[in-house]
Amino acid sequence: DQQVKQNSPSLSVQEGRISILNCDYTNSMFDYFLWYKKYPAEGPTFLISISSIKDKNEDGRFTVFLNKSAKHLSLHIVPSQPGDSAVYFCAASSAYAGNNRKLIWGLGTSLAVNP
Amino acid sequence: DTGVSQDPRHKITKRGQNVTFRCDPISEHNRLYWYRQTLGQGPEFLTYFQNEAQLEKSRLLSDRFSAERPKGSFSTLEIQRTEQGDSAMYLCASSNLEQFFGPGTRLTVL
Repeated sequence: DQQVKQNSPSLSVQEGRISILNCDYTNSMFDYFLWYKKYPAEGPTFLISISSIKDKNEDGRFTVFLNKSAKHLSLHIVPSQPGDSAVYFCAASSAYAGNNRKLIWGLGTSLAVNP
Repeated sequence: DTGVSQDPRHKITKRGQNVTFRCDPISEHNRLYWYRQTLGQGPEFLTYFQNEAQLEKSRLLSDRFSAERPKGSFSTLEIQRTEQGDSAMYLCASSNLEQFFGPGTRLTVL
């Protein structure tokens, strides 16, 4: 049962344009959401996070939007750069587990930014 | 470099052998996590430490797997009698809030 879903396995965008990566979740107990970027043979790199009390968080070129009623979040990258090409994972955690903030992950979306 | 290190980066072993991996977290982080990632999947939670206490183990962690964090600093993950299905990337993360990951240990069981 996939509690965090990334329905697009891949996305291709032109350099300078906006990249929008989507994520849906089913567990209403999730209250913290994170995006990670991963290159082959490396560990995931933290990008940006958002708490369920917010609907937007921005950090430089990266913005995450959260729509709690739709159980949907998205990562916007503007402008996209070739170095952004990687696999992007959406992850979520729940305060229900107490101090164990284990992350539940989507399957990832492979982003290709073309020069 | 996230400040989390893992050793070794790669391990190739024969089926039935024991392997041990080490994780050195960010020193001020008291939470440590182990995950496993196979091709085409997101990471899957294995186990969690708060300081030296192992507070949760996933059902994925069979009796052949054991993890320790003896002094609340570094952690080890041991797999006994490895099987081909154990081949995966083993990831360690340390956390106060966001989890920061090490580079992972790629295990190949022949």
